[in-house]
Amino acid sequence: KNEVEQSPQNLTAQEGEFITINCSYSVGISALHWLQQHPGGGIVSLFMLSSGKKKHGRLIATINIQEKHSSLHITASHPRDSAVYICAVSPTGNQFYFGTGTSLTVIP
Amino acid sequence: DTGVSQDPRHKITKRGQNVTFRCDPISEHNRLYWYRQTLGQGPEFLTYFQNEAQLEKSRLLSDRFSAERPKGSFSTLEIQRTEQGDSAMYLCASSSGLAGSLDEQFFGPGTRLTVL
Repeated sequence: KNEVEQSPQNLTAQEGEFITINCSYSVGISALHWLQQHPGGGIVSLFMLSSGKKKHGRLIATINIQEKHSSLHITASHPRDSAVYICAVSPTGNQFYFGTGTSLTVIP
Repeated sequence: DTGVSQDPRHKITKRGQNVTFRCDPISEHNRLYWYRQTLGQGPEFLTYFQNEAQLEKSRLLSDRFSAERPKGSFSTLEIQRTEQGDSAMYLCASSSGLAGSLDEQFFGPGTRLTVL
């Protein structure tokens, strides 16, 4: 049983395209995190959400608590955005459940 | 560099041997997390410390695994009698503990374990 499901698993886009990655979860949460993982393993936190929408540069994250769903959008995608994007939810703030990630490749 | 560091970065060991990994969190961070990640999967939570207290452990953490954070600073994760199924990337993360569930976690580079 996966508490967090992401779609798609793999995504290939042309440079400049608008990209959407989806995350659905089945547990009650206090926060949802979007993470970026580059080849070699380094993980960077992109967003933490408990409601609404956040924007940072070309990245936008939204969450619908009632529907238990979040989306990560990338506008004007660039090859340097190629990475694995991971959704993680925290019911309590102490333990985290992670999705399996969406592998994004942006082609020049 | 004041980020999270982990040592070693890579470890190859034979089945049955014991291994120990170290994590040095960002110095003022109270919370420290250990995760395990296998190829093609997202990280799995193993355990969490608030200062020196180990507050939560995953069911994934069998009795061959033990973690400590004796002085509330660095942490060690020991795996005894390693098995091939223990081969994975072991990730450490820390957070300030000031914002509860909205704390940003800062991840270390990970220790890749290969059990032959």
